[in-house]
Amino acid sequence: DSGVTQTPKHLITATGQRVTLRCSPRSGDLSVYWYQQSLDQGLQFLIQYYNGEERAKGNILERFSAQQFPDLHSELNLSSLELGDSALYFCASSADYNTGELFFGEGSRLTVL
Amino acid sequence: GNSVTQMEGPVTLSEEAFLTINCTYTATGYPSLFWYVQYPGEGLQLLLKATKADDKGSNKGFEATYRKETTSFHLEKGSVQVSDSAVYFCALKSGQGAQKLVFGQGTRLTINP
Repeated sequence: DSGVTQTPKHLITATGQRVTLRCSPRSGDLSVYWYQQSLDQGLQFLIQYYNGEERAKGNILERFSAQQFPDLHSELNLSSLELGDSALYFCASSADYNTGELFFGEGSRLTVL
Repeated sequence: GNSVTQMEGPVTLSEEAFLTINCTYTATGYPSLFWYVQYPGEGLQLLLKATKADDKGSNKGFEATYRKETTSFHLEKGSVQVSDSAVYFCALKSGQGAQKLVFGQGTRLTINP
């Protein structure tokens, strides 16, 4: 158990819809990361927050947004969903904002039909 | 840009066989190198790391040596078990920022009893 909690574990929705994925980091970790894992693209970094502020941005689409709340949990919002957005979305956390040692949650599997 | 190349899978071995999963990298500067493991239905876990040339990371019987001259960080284990069946990711971090943590495509390992 990494200590990182993600909900929901599975989500099935239709094209054009909007979903919100939630992540609670390990106790004490200030940094939260979002990754997308798909068969063809591998593990892609989306965005990082540190203590409530956006710290780094990767290949995140404009239809996607995220935030980190004062209690340090984070949400990833995916809108105008397309079939190609179907993937496993991982949240990870770390104590430091510039480390390669991340603790990953079990992921939220999104299926867009 | 920075990149990681892993040997293509899937890799299938018998229990107690010797394991090598190749990983080579391209990076500016002096990256830190990591191996992560993803067991079925779980998130990625850090398996081992090395932060400078000639360092050897080790954990759970797995080892990898940071070879700057060959830009490699091959993962080895002397005698694999069925429980080692998982997907293994090589990664590097070179520079500031979460976007600088780059993962390879992953190698799926299956160990047969």
